[in-house]
Formats: sequence, C-alpha cells, structure tokens
Amino acid sequence: DTEVTQTPKHLVMGMTNKKSLKCEQHMGHRAMYWYKQKAKKPPELMFVYSYEKLSINESVPSRFSPECPNSSLLNLHLHALQPEDSALYLCASSQTLGSAYEQYFGPGTRLTVT
Amino acid sequence: DAKTTQPTSMDCAEGRAANLPCNHSTISGNEYVYWYRQIHSQGPQYIIHGLKNNETNEMASLIITEDRKSSTLILPHATLRDTAVYYCIEASGSRLTFGEGTQLTVNP
Repeated sequence: DTEVTQTPKHLVMGMTNKKSLKCEQHMGHRAMYWYKQKAKKPPELMFVYSYEKLSINESVPSRFSPECPNSSLLNLHLHALQPEDSALYLCASSQTLGSAYEQYFGPGTRLTVT
Repeated sequence: DAKTTQPTSMDCAEGRAANLPCNHSTISGNEYVYWYRQIHSQGPQYIIHGLKNNETNEMASLIITEDRKSSTLILPHATLRDTAVYYCIEASGSRLTFGEGTQLTVNP
C-alpha cells in the first residue's frame, strides 16, 4: 500500500470555526509533512514530523496546530483562520527524514475560509 | 529558496517525446536532482532522481550534463495523462523546495 489518504477532500469553514484535517499512511513511514498550496503556485512546506516529534515548523502562524498522535496519523488543527488561508493542504510521508526527497503525497484537502 | 530554473510552459504532441529542461547551476557535488510532477487537483508524484549518471525508470529518463549544471527529463511517448506541472528540485536541507515548475500540455 503506497497510499496517503487525506480527509476531508473539501472543507468550508468560517473564520470563527475550529476544524481539523486528517492524514493517514500505512507504509511504515516515520516522517510526515504538511504543505500549503495556493492556486497556481508550488507547494510550500509548513511542518515536518519525524518519529512523531515536530522537527520543522516553517514559521507557520499559531492558528495552524499540527499533531502526530501515532506513526500513521497526522492532523492539522485549524482555528480562527483568515480568508487568505484558503488553499489546498497537502500531506506527505517519507520513510525517514533521511529520505525526505522521496515523498508520497496525498490528494490534498481543499480548504475555503469564508 | 528554489535554486532551479525551468521554462514556464511547454507543449508536446501525443505520442512524441517530451523533453523538459532544468538549469541547476548552483548544485553542489553531492546534491541529487529530483523530478516530481503534479497533475491538476492531485498531490505531487515522484518521478525520478539522479546524481551524475543518466537514469531511467518505467516513467521517464533523466539526462544530467557532465558539469551537472543542467538536466533534461524525457517522457519518451507522451500521453494526454502526462499533462501536468513538472518540478525539478535540488535535494538539500532535508526538504523538498518546489520552484514554479513547467506546465507541460500534451496535445492530441
């Protein structure tokens, strides 16, 4: 199984809502990533987890809160988002941080903040 | 910061070879070049990588110049499903840093 799954596929939320994005992989990978992708732009790295510990935070605002409850799951908790946070949120995994260049990506969650 | 340079867009006829160039003039001796592609509304997909020798897999071939300052990704028989944005990435810093990529459109 070389699949990374993400739920939900689409999410519309108001600026006062709290929601969560979920990512799951069963490849035994120990590094997991969150990216943000605006329309017609490349993906931008947000967070990296290695062995369930946060390894990299690319100066992401605190209204985005990642969580890695176990080696297969990665969550992104959203609170008090702004309309400019509307984007495609991509999750990815790799065997370890050492193989960070060979990542498997999920299909993404398309988020709209109203 | 992205250190690679790629054309913004390219067109290719279905069934013909698609040759996508990339300049990576600042690449250091032990940095690999990776290629990914992103089909519309999907996540990026790994294609191939190389250090200094030419590489081939079931998806594509990668030709790296002897001075390693540029490379070409070759899709030998492009199909309509190969229409995507193709990213050339210098592997450094334990992370993928995507540049703007090349929008390849395969035409019937």
